[in-house]
Amino acid sequence: DAGITQSPRHKVTETGTPVTLRCHQTENHRYMYWYRQDPGHGLRLIHYSYGVKDTDKGEVSDGYSVSRSKTEDFLLTLESATSSQTSVYFCAIRAGQLYEQYFGPGTRLTVT
Amino acid sequence: KNEVEQSPQNLTAQEGEFITINCSYSVGISALHWLQQHPGGGIVSLFMLSSGKKKHGRLIATINIQEKHSSLHITASHPRDSAVYICAVRENTGNQFYFGTGTSLTVIP
Repeated sequence: DAGITQSPRHKVTETGTPVTLRCHQTENHRYMYWYRQDPGHGLRLIHYSYGVKDTDKGEVSDGYSVSRSKTEDFLLTLESATSSQTSVYFCAIRAGQLYEQYFGPGTRLTVT
Repeated sequence: KNEVEQSPQNLTAQEGEFITINCSYSVGISALHWLQQHPGGGIVSLFMLSSGKKKHGRLIATINIQEKHSSLHITASHPRDSAVYICAVRENTGNQFYFGTGTSLTVIP
């Protein structure tokens, strides 16, 4: 399972509140990704990181920020949560010769 | 825009049937990834391939780079194969993946 954990696994929050999701990996992978999964859409990239303090935006980055202060942790922050950010969030790492992606268990976020 | 298209979107099969799920893509890629997601569950890697064919148990994945097409086959399907199967492509720079919306498979005993 590539040693990836996500916390929290479930969260309900109110519109306008800040939320931080954590992805933790134990195998020192350089690349980490945050995706959201919504009905009718494929997984969509929010942000990714290619090293400590090195991050870049994905296709749905508006309203999200990320930080990576150490290799094992990649944090996703919703500065002011909106109902449109209700989703399942997956973290992934990239590994292997073909850059295969391995996913964490997901975080179900509900913004009321 | 949909860089990755999967067909069919939904598929119901009888136990024991041979199943094919198709994936077509429009961007230049360096590899293609097949993933499986059980209801309410996490996402599991099945195959990563850049050419030809790979087999693992009852699952076979093929890719035709020239035609920008891949297929996932399941032989002797079983109810435990019921899941959503997701195709993803790694674009040429290697930093990003694009995902299909998935094929929902139900295998009836």
